[in-house]
Amino acid sequence: DAMVIQNPRYQVTQFGKPVTLSCSQTLNHNVMYWYQQKSSQAPKLLFHYYDKDFNNEADTPDNFQSRRPNTSFCFLDIRSPGLGDAAMYLCATSTSRTGINEQFFGPGTRLTVL
Amino acid sequence: DAKTTQPPSMDCAEGRAANLPCNHSTISGNEYVYWYRQIHSQGPQYIIHGLKNNETNEMASLIITEDRKSSTLILPHATLRDTAVYYCIVRPGGNQGGKLIFGQGTELSVKP
Repeated sequence: DAMVIQNPRYQVTQFGKPVTLSCSQTLNHNVMYWYQQKSSQAPKLLFHYYDKDFNNEADTPDNFQSRRPNTSFCFLDIRSPGLGDAAMYLCATSTSRTGINEQFFGPGTRLTVL
Repeated sequence: DAKTTQPPSMDCAEGRAANLPCNHSTISGNEYVYWYRQIHSQGPQYIIHGLKNNETNEMASLIITEDRKSSTLILPHATLRDTAVYYCIVRPGGNQGGKLIFGQGTELSVKP
């Protein structure tokens, strides 16, 4: 089945130690998103790629970076994780080729910062 | 900021209809109403969307008031697996794509 895959599902890192989260998709969607969801809060968009064009949200900290080497893969890099970056990170995809704009979400990676 | 207002929580008996309200009084003419839900420890899942006509699919029905300032998501026969947080989101439709701005949503508890 076509899907959005996130690895790993659980990630533990140390304060200040860089960490990379990965997302892959088999839907061939041209838009990919990264959301941050802290405990008991709603998901919040960090940035998204429309094809190869990167779109950063104005309030996304510089500590967060992203790479999209090809259509199928997208990475979230946290350069120096702080305790406040502990959260669920959700990857989503959509296609602009239809008018529906439905976003398909992966299961998320839960990041713990020690 | 989210442009919608939803009750923080609701209960529903299993097998009964769940009616989840949403207020979006500042909705623009080109904005659609989208509903997503998030089951605990999973990613959000698209349910349905509409512009001004009522919509129905295999998951739910969406009723939008004539002035488009509010809507109701209806799960006709709620099951325990429908327990989740339900998010009502307004956003441009078509190929404009773009962000989902999630509000706090409604936590629906379906009880036996």
